[in-house]
Amino acid sequence: DVKVTQSSRYLVKRTGEKVFLECVQDMDHENMFWYRQDPGLGLRLIYFSYDVKMKEKGDIPEGYSVSREKKERFSLILESASTNQTSMYLCASSLNIRLAGDSSYEQYFGPGTRLTVT
Amino acid sequence: AQKITQTQPGMFVQEKEAVTLDCTYDTSDPSYGLFWYKQPSSGEMIFLIYQGSYDQQNATEGRYSLNFQKARKSANLVISASQLGDSAMYFCAMRDYGNNRLAFGKGNQVVVIP
Repeated sequence: DVKVTQSSRYLVKRTGEKVFLECVQDMDHENMFWYRQDPGLGLRLIYFSYDVKMKEKGDIPEGYSVSREKKERFSLILESASTNQTSMYLCASSLNIRLAGDSSYEQYFGPGTRLTVT
Repeated sequence: AQKITQTQPGMFVQEKEAVTLDCTYDTSDPSYGLFWYKQPSSGEMIFLIYQGSYDQQNATEGRYSLNFQKARKSANLVISASQLGDSAMYFCAMRDYGNNRLAFGKGNQVVVIP
């Protein structure tokens, strides 16, 4: 059974703290993604990684950084958390569509981390 | 840029009835794929169904079917015989051919009432 896990379901941090959100997948996927979900805004891509140490900015990368040192693990870092980063964070993984040649392959999602910054 | 539009307000559906969720999209790429995901209150995104732009038939997966109208750029999800467990947010998403990223709509809220 495919699995994407996230380090915490709920997290409460103070303004200015450095926050690490961890995501691990066991499917040997090349691609990993971090999304942010807010009511009425849907899912917005923060960062995307297509290989170890490789990353691309998504639609809303400001205030975030990422790290991918191992294929199975993708970390989202909030260098100095702010209240406007209170949100639901979703991690996902998939095959590299270009390499697999299969555009029907879906993204697999983790359970999400609900982050509150006070 | 890809764009997915889901504009329906929250929907209440009677148990055992069918419900249709609207999704329109915009892309200049002739080759693309469309996805629907379900997100129950637990938060996890669950893949439901996929439709390729060149597929001749509308996709079906159990009680889920996709009403794909390519010329109108719409990919509506039909859930037949609604169950209480279908209460969730539903997201439409699109990927252009060869693109690793998915573009998501803002979602439709469905509440199934007994």
